Amino acid sequence: DIQMTQSPSTLSASVGDRVTITCRASQSISSWLAWYQQRPGKAPKLLIYKASGLESGVPSRFSGSGSGTEFTLTISSLQPDDFATYYCQQYNSYPWTFGQGTKVEIK
Amino acid sequence: EVQLVESGGGLVQPGGSLRLSCAASGFTFSSYWMNWVRQAPRKGLEWVANIKQDGSEKYYVDSVKGRFTISRDNAKNSLYLQVNSLRAEDTAIYYCAREFRGYGMDVWGQGTTVTVSS
Repeated sequence: DIQMTQSPSTLSASVGDRVTITCRASQSISSWLAWYQQRPGKAPKLLIYKASGLESGVPSRFSGSGSGTEFTLTISSLQPDDFATYYCQQYNSYPWTFGQGTKVEIK
Repeated sequence: EVQLVESGGGLVQPGGSLRLSCAASGFTFSSYWMNWVRQAPRKGLEWVANIKQDGSEKYYVDSVKGRFTISRDNAKNSLYLQVNSLRAEDTAIYYCAREFRGYGMDVWGQGTTVTVSS
């Protein structure tokens, strides 16, 4: 199985900060990577597909990059709605696997 | 409105069974792969299984193979997960999610909770 490792596990930041979350795959997944946001008590929400594609309706302050084994999710200017947990997920090969999550907290 | 609504969760004893359902509306259900993803209490997301549009292909995470069965009824716009031989570690919120092939899981339900306990 492909292991997905996110860093950091927790991130403390302020409104307006630029935030970067890293996701590493244990083997190459090309660009078959998605990023999701999950607020407490809610279902996950797709933010980014194919490593860098912005899902319809998602604010442009979210961006994704990378290919192969290393990927990043960047929030250019953190907003109050963005305090949540973020997950990467590979869909290159079965079983699909998620990273362990990165919780973005208010500093 | 595109919507997925799960049902069928509950409290069940170890070794027991449940049938989870997911009702789809607002889109052409038969055109999409469909997935089940679960989340144990205070834990991360775990992909469980998915099924092709016509049901001809199904994939599972190893930990549920032989115990869980994914199925669909396109005439009823419904996805199912038959969960048997339940264990404490299967306790989780179970989400159904639509997959736009190659683009990730773009629509999610609100989840149904399965609790396995004696």
